[in-house]
Amino acid sequence: EAQVTQNPRYLITVTGKKLTVTCSQNMNHEYMSWYRQDPGLGLRQIYYSMNVEVTDKGDVPEGYKVSRKEKRNFPLILESPSPNQTSLYFCASSWGLGSNQPQHFGDGTRLSIL
Amino acid sequence: ILNVEQSPQSLHVQEGDSTNFTCSFPSSNFYALHWYRWETAKSPEALFVMTLNGDEKKKGRISATLNTKEGYSYLYIKGSQPEDSATYLCGYGQFYFGTGTSLTVIP
Repeated sequence: EAQVTQNPRYLITVTGKKLTVTCSQNMNHEYMSWYRQDPGLGLRQIYYSMNVEVTDKGDVPEGYKVSRKEKRNFPLILESPSPNQTSLYFCASSWGLGSNQPQHFGDGTRLSIL
Repeated sequence: ILNVEQSPQSLHVQEGDSTNFTCSFPSSNFYALHWYRWETAKSPEALFVMTLNGDEKKKGRISATLNTKEGYSYLYIKGSQPEDSATYLCGYGQFYFGTGTSLTVIP
């Protein structure tokens, strides 16, 4: 089954404790992206990657890191999480940067930073 | 950052009613417009991809139209059913999303 898998689905942690949210897709998609969703603000792009070893900042990259060492995986790293990073996070993938391709989303990760 | 706006923010309709909502986007340098259906506790799923001015797409009771010259797209649901309850999200290009329209269909 074609899917984007995020882990964990839920995480409660404390300020400053490094965490990683994993994202994996099994569709051989080139393009992957991370979004955060906050009430009233919709989906905002954090980082995206057009292919292995190619990543770039989205609209709200501060406090986040990503890597793309393999095509299927695109982890999101919070080196020193802070309470303002409490949010619902989505990973997404698609075939390419061609804008007529819809994205396939993971089920989301709800992060709470205390 | 591009401004993609959806209205209304939320909508409650009775079962059997038809309804529609709007996505507005910049009319210059149009890329493509995507409509997604997003159920609570799930991830957004693609409904339609619209690329050309005047496009009309249909899937069952749900249809969408596109006007790139004036920068809007409408999503229509005919004869709403409780299972249509979800947030309907539009995406402009691949990066920019509206805040969604939350639809609740009351049995």
